[in-house]
Amino acid sequence: DQQVKQNSPSLSVQEGRISILNCDYTNSMFDYFLWYKKYPAEGPTFLISISSIKDKNEDGRFTVFLNKSAKHLSLHIVPSQPGDSAVYFCAASAQGGSYIPTFGRGTSLIVHP
Amino acid sequence: KAGVTQTPRYLIKTRGQQVTLSCSPISGHRSVSWYQQTPGQGLQFLFEYFSETQRNKGNFPGRFSGRQFSNSRSEMNVSTLELGDSALYLCASSLGPPFSSGYTFGSGTRLTVV
Repeated sequence: DQQVKQNSPSLSVQEGRISILNCDYTNSMFDYFLWYKKYPAEGPTFLISISSIKDKNEDGRFTVFLNKSAKHLSLHIVPSQPGDSAVYFCAASAQGGSYIPTFGRGTSLIVHP
Repeated sequence: KAGVTQTPRYLIKTRGQQVTLSCSPISGHRSVSWYQQTPGQGLQFLFEYFSETQRNKGNFPGRFSGRQFSNSRSEMNVSTLELGDSALYLCASSLGPPFSSGYTFGSGTRLTVV
């Protein structure tokens, strides 16, 4: 039973355009959400997080939006660059629970020059 | 600062053998977690150690075990290897609970069981 789902295995966008990566969750106890980026032959790198008391968090070109009622979050990358090509993992955790993050299966983003 | 170091980077083992993987966390990080990554399943949590004690455990069989030393370095062991254990094993360290500032991951150990 997947509690964190990334339903798009891959996404292809043109350089300079917006990339939108989506993530859905089922566990209403989750109150912290994180995005990681992973290049081949490297470990995932933490990108950005958001707590459930917010609906938006920005860091440079990266913005995460949280819709608690829909149990949905998305990562927006604007503008997309070829160096953003990587696998993006969504993760969720519950402060009050075991707090160990549950990861989605990842979305492979390809940004074409 | 030095990152999370995992050794070895690559391993090939035969079914039935056992293997030990090593992880050195970022200096000052006392929490070390291990994940298994496979193409179909994403990142699956194995266990977390804090101050030499296993604090959380994922849903893996008893063939998977780990430990943490007083210097926070951690090892994980897999006994009686099966073909399905072929995966990338990732170690991650954090200063505290990883829900807000996230983990720092190592580059992983790629284990192939033949």
